[in-house]
Amino acid sequence: EDQVTQSPEALRLQEGESSSLNCSYTVSGLRGLFWYRQDPGKGPEFLFTLYSAGEEKEKERLKATLTKKESFLHITAPKPEDSATYLCAVVFYGGSQGNLIFGKGTKLSVKP
Amino acid sequence: DSGVTQTPKHLITATGQRVTLRCSPRSGDLSVYWYQQSLDQGLQFLIQYYNGEERAKGNILERFSAQQFPDLHSELNLSSLELGDSALYFCASSVGETTREQFFGPGTRLTVL
Repeated sequence: EDQVTQSPEALRLQEGESSSLNCSYTVSGLRGLFWYRQDPGKGPEFLFTLYSAGEEKEKERLKATLTKKESFLHITAPKPEDSATYLCAVVFYGGSQGNLIFGKGTKLSVKP
Repeated sequence: DSGVTQTPKHLITATGQRVTLRCSPRSGDLSVYWYQQSLDQGLQFLIQYYNGEERAKGNILERFSAQQFPDLHSELNLSSLELGDSALYFCASSVGETTREQFFGPGTRLTVL
């Protein structure tokens, strides 16, 4: 059973068309939730950490929010350079120290 | 650039062989993590070292082993390689023993023929 589920698997947007990516998790005792961006063949690039429900973080056109069972990554007026795979990961109490449990990602394509 | 370095970038080898992947963490980071990324499995945690000591194990095969040296660089050894071991291998580092943010290196692409 997947502990971290991301949806949709793929998302195509027109430049300027805002949308949201979802990350839901089934673990209890969340220690932290992380968002990463990954370009093809590259290592994941850290974006945000969220620790408690109600927390929000922003960076340029991206805004991450957290509830008790899911997180959203909102993309406002995206540009083609925002095209990438966005990964969500969690760490929970009782898990193996600090290892991250990743979802399978949402592949975002932004067309000009 | 995350500050984490990995060598080599690409590795092509044959089944049954043994390879070593190397990782240098960001300056000041004491934890090193190894992850495997394949198309069907996504990113899977393999093992964590903190200041030279093993701290956590994930889905790491017995054919695989790792260590962290006094200068904090780490090596992942993969032996008796199989076709299914072909994947991207990432190293990440963080400041502490339990996670804050982990910063990933550029990865090593391993191809087993």
